[in-house]
Amino acid sequence: EAQVTQNPRYLITVTGKKLTVTCSQNMNHEYMSWYRQDPGLGLRQIYYSMNVEVTDKGDVPEGYKVSRKEKRNFPLILESPSPNQTSLYFCASGTDYEETQYFGPGTRLLVL
Amino acid sequence: KQEVTQIPAALSVPEGENLVLNCSFTDSAIYNLQWFRQDPGKGLTSLLLIQSSQREQTSGRLNASLDKSSGRSTLYIAASQPGDSATYLCAVMDSSYKLIFGSGTRLLVRP
Repeated sequence: EAQVTQNPRYLITVTGKKLTVTCSQNMNHEYMSWYRQDPGLGLRQIYYSMNVEVTDKGDVPEGYKVSRKEKRNFPLILESPSPNQTSLYFCASGTDYEETQYFGPGTRLLVL
Repeated sequence: KQEVTQIPAALSVPEGENLVLNCSFTDSAIYNLQWFRQDPGKGLTSLLLIQSSQREQTSGRLNASLDKSSGRSTLYIAASQPGDSATYLCAVMDSSYKLIFGSGTRLLVRP
């Protein structure tokens, strides 16, 4: 089944403890991206990747890192999480930036 | 900076009514516009994608139009059903390869 998977789906952590949210797609998509969704602020793009080893900042990249070492995986790294990074995170992928973007199920993160 | 606006923010209609959701964007330099549906606590489901060179796309009871020059798109839902109740989001892929979302329209279709 063609899909975008994220792990974990729910995470509670404490300030400063490094964490990684994984994202994987099995559709051989080149374009992948991360978003956060917050009440009143909507969905905002954090980072995107056009292909392996090609990443760029979205609108809210501060406090996040990404890597794209393989085409199928695009992990989101929070090296020192803070409470203002409590949010619902989505990963997405598409054949390229001109095609339909498919979203993962989301990861709900709480930083205490 | 690209900004995407959706009106209305919320809409409540009786079952069977035809309805229109609106989306506007400030910069016409886009690659495409996509409409999504989001159910409470769930991920986003893609409904329709309109390339910048296209005027409209249709899928079942859904029809989306795009007027790039005026920065507007509409999503038309025919013969609405309670199962259509969800939040509808539009997003544009802008010239810097970023996907920019509107704040959504929350739709309730009453039986």
